[in-house]
Amino acid sequence: ELKVEQNPLFLSMQEGKNYTIYCNYSTTSDRLYWYRQDPGKSLESLFVLLSNGAVKQEGRLMASLDTKARLSTLHITAAVHDLSATYFCAVAPKDSNYQLIWGAGTKLIIKP
Amino acid sequence: DGGITQSPKYLFRKEGQNVTLSCEQNLNHDAMYWYRQDPGQGLRLIYYSQIVNDFQKGDIAEGYSVSREKKESFPLTVTSAQKNPTAFYLCASSFTGTQPQHFGDGTRLSIL
Repeated sequence: ELKVEQNPLFLSMQEGKNYTIYCNYSTTSDRLYWYRQDPGKSLESLFVLLSNGAVKQEGRLMASLDTKARLSTLHITAAVHDLSATYFCAVAPKDSNYQLIWGAGTKLIIKP
Repeated sequence: DGGITQSPKYLFRKEGQNVTLSCEQNLNHDAMYWYRQDPGQGLRLIYYSQIVNDFQKGDIAEGYSVSREKKESFPLTVTSAQKNPTAFYLCASSFTGTQPQHFGDGTRLSIL
């Protein structure tokens, strides 16, 4: 059974600081997704990572994937208040076209 | 604008009652999904549909039913057999199983 673990589950940080969210998964996968959710709102797709060593960047967010270590990271550079949200990773089990296994989410609070 | 519309935003269920959550999309996506989100947890897949007139159970299908008679619509019925239905329900769609999923704004279901 594929399990996805995110850590930390909660993170409070100051504006301007850097930090990394980790997403570990337990079995082979070839696709990993990062989503953002604002409180009480829907989810927004941030990144799709499809191969070992893949790196995607959008603004102050950068995501990477190491399929050998079964690890993805979401790095936040010089955090700003608008990045406060809950971030989820979701992993597709190998040979699964439609099902995703989701992490519990990392609630990120960025203080001015 | 293209998107996914879920209704109602809030729904209350009485004991022994079936309720239906609506999900409509105009993105021309073939695949549609229903997820359940509980506080502090990741999303769990209830049902998904790859094409019209076809759907598959996800991880927590017991107590739920769906239909896919039209490409645009994927309603979810929460039956009286679902003993703990209080949760946030999210509908999503995608072109294929590997493309990022687009989400609706969700329906919050509570027990009266």
